Amino acid sequence: AQSVTQPDIHITVSEGASLELRCNYSYGATPYLFWYVQSPGQGLQLLLKYFSGDTLVQGIKGFEAEFKRSQSSFNLRKPSVHWSDAAEYFCAVGVTGGGNKLTFGTGTQLKVEL
Amino acid sequence: DTGVSQNPRHKITKRGQNVTFRCDPISEHNRLYWYRQTLGQGPEFLTYFQNEAQLEKSRLLSDRFSAERPKGSFSTLEIQRTEQGDSAMYLCASSSEEGRGTGNTIYFGEGSWLTVV
Repeated sequence: AQSVTQPDIHITVSEGASLELRCNYSYGATPYLFWYVQSPGQGLQLLLKYFSGDTLVQGIKGFEAEFKRSQSSFNLRKPSVHWSDAAEYFCAVGVTGGGNKLTFGTGTQLKVEL
Repeated sequence: DTGVSQNPRHKITKRGQNVTFRCDPISEHNRLYWYRQTLGQGPEFLTYFQNEAQLEKSRLLSDRFSAERPKGSFSTLEIQRTEQGDSAMYLCASSSEEGRGTGNTIYFGEGSWLTVV
């Protein structure tokens, strides 16, 4: 079965600094990979997704992520963080023929210092 | 596209009572999913429908839980004889069929918070 690890439970960055959130997955074939963001008490908003092709994917709000098959990673990056980016970020993996079920990591809570 | 709609957004109930949540998916989506999220955790898959057929149920879905999608449009998730451990956010999501266009992209609703006291 597939799994997702987000090693950082909490991350604090200063506004304007760069950001990288780590995500490692376990799956035997090429997965579908997603990053979602969740504000307190809210649902999940899709930031970006990787299905195939170009391994660097661009998303909304200036986020990007790079799929690295050799490292089983799909890290999320942003060059300059804004205070409004403070939220919880979830990485998720889906599998071919898996009915679009997603397996989520435990999330990374991002705090932005002004 | 009005997005995935869930109600009620919040429900407080006494232990032992039954609760029902409703989900209206994005209109052109034929797949509908239910997930549960507890504090400090990522969402966990509960069940999903393709049209009106319930295709898979997680082991997390005990006998007290039942989900329906009678006409292949909206869905309900009912929890009978609620327990304190059922306190969580219940998320609904929808997508097109896998492999078709954006079929591999799942869109979530705002969630329904359940507190069992």
